[in-house]
Amino acid sequence: DIQLTQSPSSLSASVGDRVTITCRASESVSTYLNWYQQRPGKAPKLLIYAASNLQSGVPSRFSGSGSGTDFTLTISSLQPEDFANYYCQQVFRTVRTFGQGTKVEVK
Amino acid sequence: EVQLVQSGAEVKKPGDSLRISCKGSGYSFTNYWITWVRQRPGKGLEWMGRIDPSDSRTYYSPSFEGHVTISADKSVRTAYLQWSSLKASDTAIYYCAPGIYDTTGFYEYLHHWGQGTLVTVSS
Repeated sequence: DIQLTQSPSSLSASVGDRVTITCRASESVSTYLNWYQQRPGKAPKLLIYAASNLQSGVPSRFSGSGSGTDFTLTISSLQPEDFANYYCQQVFRTVRTFGQGTKVEVK
Repeated sequence: EVQLVQSGAEVKKPGDSLRISCKGSGYSFTNYWITWVRQRPGKGLEWMGRIDPSDSRTYYSPSFEGHVTISADKSVRTAYLQWSSLKASDTAIYYCAPGIYDTTGFYEYLHHWGQGTLVTVSS
């Protein structure tokens, strides 16, 4: 399996902050990487696909970058509704995997 | 409108068998692989496996292979996840989602999700 390691596992931030989450793959996944947001009690929501493509309807404060083994999800100006859990997912191999998640909490 | 409707919550005992379902509508059911995802209480998302509803080809995560079975019945547009012998550690919410491909046809993502099925296994 391809292992995905997210860092940090959790972070505390304030509204308006710039937040960066990283996802490192155990081997190259090219740009076959997605990012999801999950709020408590809800199903995950797709934010970014193919490393840097913003899903339709997702606010432009979210952006993704990277290729190979190192990826980042950036929230340019954190909003109250952004306090949630974030997961990366690789779709390079037939057997997909998720990162362990990053919790974005209120500071 | 694409919809995935999952079966209701279940409470089972260790050793019980169980099958939960995921019914798709609003899209061509046989054109998209269905993925199953586990989320244990307070924990992260775990990719379990996926099935091609057109021919029932399946791929499993090594973490789940041999413990669960993924199947599909295209005549009723439904995918299934089943256990022959549940364990307490199977207590979780299980989500299904069809894998959508972007316009290039190369990049898959999970955009539409079922509402989740809570499975509780307790003696």
